[in-house]
Amino acid sequence: GESVGLHLPTLSVQEGDNSIINCAYSNSASDYFIWYKQESGKGPQFIIDIRSNMDKRQGQRVTVLLNKTVKHLSLQIAATQPGDSAVYFCAEGRGGKLIFGQGTELSVKP
Amino acid sequence: DAGVIQSPRHEVTEMGQEVTLRCKPISGHDYLFWYRQTMMRGLELLIYFNNNVPIDDSGMPEDRFSAKMPNASFSTLKIQPSEPRDSAVYFCASSLTGQGKSYTFGSGTRLTVV
Repeated sequence: GESVGLHLPTLSVQEGDNSIINCAYSNSASDYFIWYKQESGKGPQFIIDIRSNMDKRQGQRVTVLLNKTVKHLSLQIAATQPGDSAVYFCAEGRGGKLIFGQGTELSVKP
Repeated sequence: DAGVIQSPRHEVTEMGQEVTLRCKPISGHDYLFWYRQTMMRGLELLIYFNNNVPIDDSGMPEDRFSAKMPNASFSTLKIQPSEPRDSAVYFCASSLTGQGKSYTFGSGTRLTVV
């Protein structure tokens, strides 16, 4: 069936380093993609989104890259901080519906 | 805006009992979603509404689950009868048409069925 999946379930980085979280998707009909951050005991929080007609979008310390040729999405976090420790989900949206991947846990070592 | 409000935050119930989860979406949002999160299956979309009308309930596990949205400011997810395998965190989210960044999640209801 259709799915949005992540390459790595866990990622450990040193504080101050850059982090890259990857995501693969299978449905080329998706209209947009969103990255969410989920901290323990909380609901997912919006980080950044990108429409299917774009290949890059930047926010504050975050960049999302979309490669439609290989159906790949990535989230880059610059100068990773301890507060960035969380589970990160990519999600694809189509027809108003949002489908989530399994998530990657990011751990930031001080 | 107070965001998406869910109640209760925690629910512990015995197998066979009826459970009702509640959600108040952000005012003005025209989409409402119910998700279930478990370690094994991640975030699963159960059902979603557009302008109070159910659009896709293909994610609802079985007939024991039902969801309603009687008006634009309130939705319920009911499980009757509940089973231990229903234990999970249930999230409600709302959004505005065409604005992916508007998707906003509530804090979730942690359901434990014993």
